[in-house]
Amino acid sequence: ELKVEQNPLFLSMQEGKNYTIYCNYSTTSDRLYWYRQDPGKSLESLFVLLSNGAVKQEGRLMASLDTKARLSTLHITAAVHDLSATYFCAVDKTSGTYKYIFGTGTRLKVLA
Amino acid sequence: KAGVTQTPRYLIKTRGQQVTLSCSPISGHRSVSWYQQTPGQGLQFLFEYFSETQRNKGNFPGRFSGRQFSNSRSEMNVSTLELGDSALYLCASSLDRERWQFFGPGTRLTVL
Repeated sequence: ELKVEQNPLFLSMQEGKNYTIYCNYSTTSDRLYWYRQDPGKSLESLFVLLSNGAVKQEGRLMASLDTKARLSTLHITAAVHDLSATYFCAVDKTSGTYKYIFGTGTRLKVLA
Repeated sequence: KAGVTQTPRYLIKTRGQQVTLSCSPISGHRSVSWYQQTPGQGLQFLFEYFSETQRNKGNFPGRFSGRQFSNSRSEMNVSTLELGDSALYLCASSLDRERWQFFGPGTRLTVL
């Protein structure tokens, strides 16, 4: 069964600091997604990672994928208040019965 | 370019009724996916339509159904509403198989 675990669930950090959000999944998957959700808002796509060793960066966010460890990380560099949001990872699996599973989300609060 | 639109934005129904939600994708996008977000279950994938065909389906009962029209607009229908169907329903469209998705603002359904 495909399961996705994110940690931490909550993260409060100071502006200017670095931190990493972890996303573990239980079985082989095809794609790894990262999304951002602001309170009361919809989702925004951040990254789609397709292959082992993939690394993508956008501004202060960098996502990487290790398919052997079944682990993706979302690294935040020099956090700013505008990054406060909930971040979700998700994976999908197309072989056999299609599965698309989200992590529980990490609520990030960046303190000024 | 206009974004993904969803109508209605808010909806209140009573148990046993049925509801139809609509999603208009970004022009040229042929894939439309639907998601449910609740405080208890989190984000869950409902189904994906591509060129008027259901391509993938999540683990939801048959009360949840959808369709896609030739102009790529999609509707989802929930029959015999239950209290647990109260949720934010998100629609997303994408252009390609890598599934970089653009999300609509969501429809918040409340079942009384």
